[in-house]
Amino acid sequence: DGGITQSPKYLFRKEGQNVTLSCEQNLNHDAMYWYRQDPGQGLRLIYYSQIVNDFQKGDIAEGYSVSREKKESFPLTVTSAQKNPTAFYLCASSSDIVRGYTFGSGTRLTVV
Amino acid sequence: AQSVTQPDIHITVSEGASLELRCNYSYGATPYLFWYVQSPGQGLQLLLKYFSGDTLVQGIKGFEAEFKRSQSSFNLRKPSVHWSDAAEYFCAVVGLSGGYNKLIFGAGTRLAVHP
Repeated sequence: DGGITQSPKYLFRKEGQNVTLSCEQNLNHDAMYWYRQDPGQGLRLIYYSQIVNDFQKGDIAEGYSVSREKKESFPLTVTSAQKNPTAFYLCASSSDIVRGYTFGSGTRLTVV
Repeated sequence: AQSVTQPDIHITVSEGASLELRCNYSYGATPYLFWYVQSPGQGLQLLLKYFSGDTLVQGIKGFEAEFKRSQSSFNLRKPSVHWSDAAEYFCAVVGLSGGYNKLIFGAGTRLAVHP
């Protein structure tokens, strides 16, 4: 079945380390998105990509980086510059905005 | 700019009672509207969507929503709530941001269900 796979489900990072969250989709969707979710703050857009080899900053891109070398993959790197990285991260994809987004099951990142 | 407001942060209902979650949007033309549900620790699942036609749309899990242009609303309803409906619910509208059309989400409404 087609879908979006986020891995790992839980991730622990020491302060000062970079960490990469994986997002893979086999839906043949062109657009992919990364969101951060904190309790009581809804969804905040980090980065998005409408097509391979192109991506744009969202509302809270500072301290994050992405790449889009393949249509299926949109990894997110949380760098040491991100001051408060502990959060739940969601990846989504879309073929046509009127169909909405398909979401992955998320990665919970904890800084220890 | 387009926006979505979900006025209720938390709602508690008894199992078997009816449910209505409110959503108001700001958009100039006919909007594309969505409702998503998120169980704890999970991703978001699409419940239903509206972009034209009949203003009452049916979704999965027994949910429905009604688009009211005059009130700029797209409220989600269910006649009889089950304990498994306890989750967070997000309303969204397609909006133009950064030169691209994207989903703009409300802040969410957390639903608790009493037995």
